[in-house]
Formats: sequence, structure tokens, C-alpha cells
Amino acid sequence: SQTIHQWPATLVQPVGSPLSLECTVEGTSNPNLYWYRQAAGRGLQLLFYSVGIGQISSEVPQNLSASRPQDRQFILSSKKLLLSDSGFYLCASEAGAVTEAFFGQGTRLTVV
Amino acid sequence: GENVEQHPSTLSVQEGDSAVIKCTYSDSASNYFPWYKQELGKRPQLIIDIRSNVGEKKDQRIAVTLNKTAKHFSLHITETQPEDSAVYFCAASPSGSARQLTFGSGTQLTVLP
Repeated sequence: SQTIHQWPATLVQPVGSPLSLECTVEGTSNPNLYWYRQAAGRGLQLLFYSVGIGQISSEVPQNLSASRPQDRQFILSSKKLLLSDSGFYLCASEAGAVTEAFFGQGTRLTVV
Repeated sequence: GENVEQHPSTLSVQEGDSAVIKCTYSDSASNYFPWYKQELGKRPQLIIDIRSNVGEKKDQRIAVTLNKTAKHFSLHITETQPEDSAVYFCAASPSGSARQLTFGSGTQLTVLP
């Protein structure tokens, strides 16, 4: 089965600093990869998805960007963090005929 | 686009009682409805799902019902246990792909011993 590795688990960053969150997937190939953000008391909002290396689609305009340098690696970045970027970020993978989205453990980002 | 509303936002039940969480959706093209459970500090995990060609699906103490005419679906947990305490998310998709999943806002379920 798929395993999603996501790090770091928690992160406190000052406003204006850069961000890089990494997600790697094991146990599958050619997955669709997703970055979600979960704000406090709210559901999961899809930020980016990727169907292959170098292919990124953005669902909502924002201060963040994503990249997929390898088949099973998905990176979420920002050049300058805003306070509103605080939240819980989840990477997810979907592969083959299986519809289920497998989630990573998440990163709790606090921008101060 | 799709809009999924979930109620209630918080739910407390006594151990052994049943819990029901309800969701409505707006896009009649949606045909896949999963439910995810997220324990505190952990990742969301799929617990049950239903497709539009089925009205009800059951897995031990968990069941999901779907009313396509009314565009609503519900999660039913019977004989609740303390380990059922978590946040539950419903979602809807017109294709079954995670790319097109729209999530509800979540329900914090607390099972009191």
C-alpha cells in the first residue's frame, strides 16, 4: 500500500520568510499528488494537484507555489510567508484505479 | 462548482449511543461520496464511501446512506466507543478523483465514557 512521508510535522516561521514543505510517496508509481490546507474549524481546501513530473495545477490563487521534480516528490513553497498562510497542510496521493486519497501526517505551519 | 455543507459541527454522545452526521451537496453530477476520519494530530483516513448507484452501505458499526434526489448523504455510527472520537469529514466528487473532491467543514465527534 501507499505510504506518504511529509515533513516537518510542525513549523514556526516569521512573516516574510521562505517556506519549503516536502512530500514523498512510497509504494506506488505515477500517482496523482495533492496539497490541501486545513484551516482551524474548516474543511480541507485543495491548493494544488499534479498528474505528473513538472505538471502543476493551482486550484486557488494564493501566495504559495508547488513543484514536482520527481515522480513521487511534491514540494510546497513560498518566497515570502504571510500570516494568513498559517494552517495545517496535508499532502495526499491517489494512484491507479484506487479512488481513495491517502494523506500524509500533515505539517502544522504557524506564521508569526 | 460543488458546495458541500456538513452538520453538526460538533456532536457529543454517550458511549453506546448512535451518532449521525449529515451532509448536503449542490452538484447533481457528483457520484462519489467518501467519509474520512481524522483523529487528533493524525492524518485523515477513509472509513467508508458510497457511489451514486447505491442507496446504503454498511461496514460493521458504520453505515452511510445516500439520497440523490434530495442531494444529501449521512454517516451513521452505532454503539459508539471512545475511540470513535475524532473529526469526521464528508466529501463529494463528480468523478471519483481526489482532484475533484469537495470536503465538508468537518464534525468533531466526542464519545463520552
